[in-house]
Parts: sequence; structure tokens; C-alpha cells
Amino acid sequence: GNSVTQMEGPVTLSEEAFLTINCTYTATGYPSLFWYVQYPGEGLQLLLKATKADDKGSNKGFEATYRKETTSFHLEKGSVQVSDSAVYFCALLPKDSSYKLIFGSGTRLLVRP
Amino acid sequence: NAGVTQTPKFQVLKTGQSMTLQCAQDMNHNSMYWYRQDPGMGLRLIYYSASEGTTDKGEVPNGYNVSRLNKREFSLRLESAAPSQTSVYFCASSRGRGNQETQYFGPGTRLLVL
Repeated sequence: GNSVTQMEGPVTLSEEAFLTINCTYTATGYPSLFWYVQYPGEGLQLLLKATKADDKGSNKGFEATYRKETTSFHLEKGSVQVSDSAVYFCALLPKDSSYKLIFGSGTRLLVRP
Repeated sequence: NAGVTQTPKFQVLKTGQSMTLQCAQDMNHNSMYWYRQDPGMGLRLIYYSASEGTTDKGEVPNGYNVSRLNKREFSLRLESAAPSQTSVYFCASSRGRGNQETQYFGPGTRLLVL
């Protein structure tokens, strides 16, 4: 079946540190992949997406590359800020069931000044 | 544009009470969704509506009903609330079908069932 696995949190970093949040997936065919971010007390916001292999999604300094060979979509940022503190969700939209977004369990990021 | 809006933001119910969660979108999207978010479990799909006039069950539909009132509005009803339905509920919408379509989320409704 389809599933998403994210690294356990919380991830605690100092400001300006490099961030990597791992995400791997299992899916039939070629799903679309997404990163959503949830700031405290708010809903989910789309951060970036990639719809085919080798695509790189990017937004607000965050990047993730769709790696079909390793079934991964790791989120990276070169220099995090305190304002990046949030919960990050990796998700996939299967090709064969295009309504059902499948989410990972989320990774909480805490950035300290 | 407001995007996706939800009411209420927070609700406390007693076991057995009923309530309706409201959702509206102003992006002229065809498809709408209801998810619940529980600690450590990500979001799970309750029901969705591919287009006006249609609704289908998602992963966890038991204990819920939905109504696609028109293209803009999609409501979620709990007929007899149970403590297991304590959760945060998110409504989402997308332009339509297709696995390249992005779903846009509302701010959520936090529900506590005592």
C-alpha cells in the first residue's frame, strides 16, 4: 500500500544551522509529493511540491528533490530561522487514488536563537 | 481571497451531542475534503467530495456524515459525539482530480468531546 515515513522529532537546531528532515515513501506508480508546514495554532500550508522524478520543489529557502531510486523526498534548508519553528508534514498523492493525500506523522522543528 | 474558512474554531461537546462543522472555500474549487488530525498520526481523510453533488468515504468515515451544500460549502456532521472523536478537524479543497492537484487547508476546528 501507500505510506509515508518521516523522521521522529522533535528536531532542535540553533539559528542559521542546516536542516534536513528525512521523508521516504512507499507507493505504486509515480505519486506526487508534498511538504506542508503547520505553524502553532494554524492550519497546514503548502510549502513545496514535486510531481515527477528528479523534480526539485523549492520555496522560502526550503528545497526537496523527488528521488525515485531511493523513494525519498527529504526537506532541506541551508540556514534556519526562529520563525521556521513549526511541524512539517511530508505527504504523497497516489497516482491511482488522486483524492487521498497520505501524510507522514509530522516532524516538529524547534529553532533556538 | 479568504481561501478555506472553517467554523467554529473550537468546540466542547458532551458525549451523545450532535454538531456540524462548517467549511467554505472561495477559490472556485471543485473538490473538497475533511481530515482529522490526531497526535503522532498525521492527517487522515474522513470524507471527500469530488464535485458538487457527490460525496465519498475516506479512510475513517465511521461516526460522521457530510453534505456538499453547493460548490463552495462542505459540512461535516457528528450525529452522536464520542470521546474518540476528540481531534482537530481540517477542511481542504483542490481544483479537481489528478495527482498534481494541490490541496489547500483551512485553519482547523479543535473539538473536545467529554
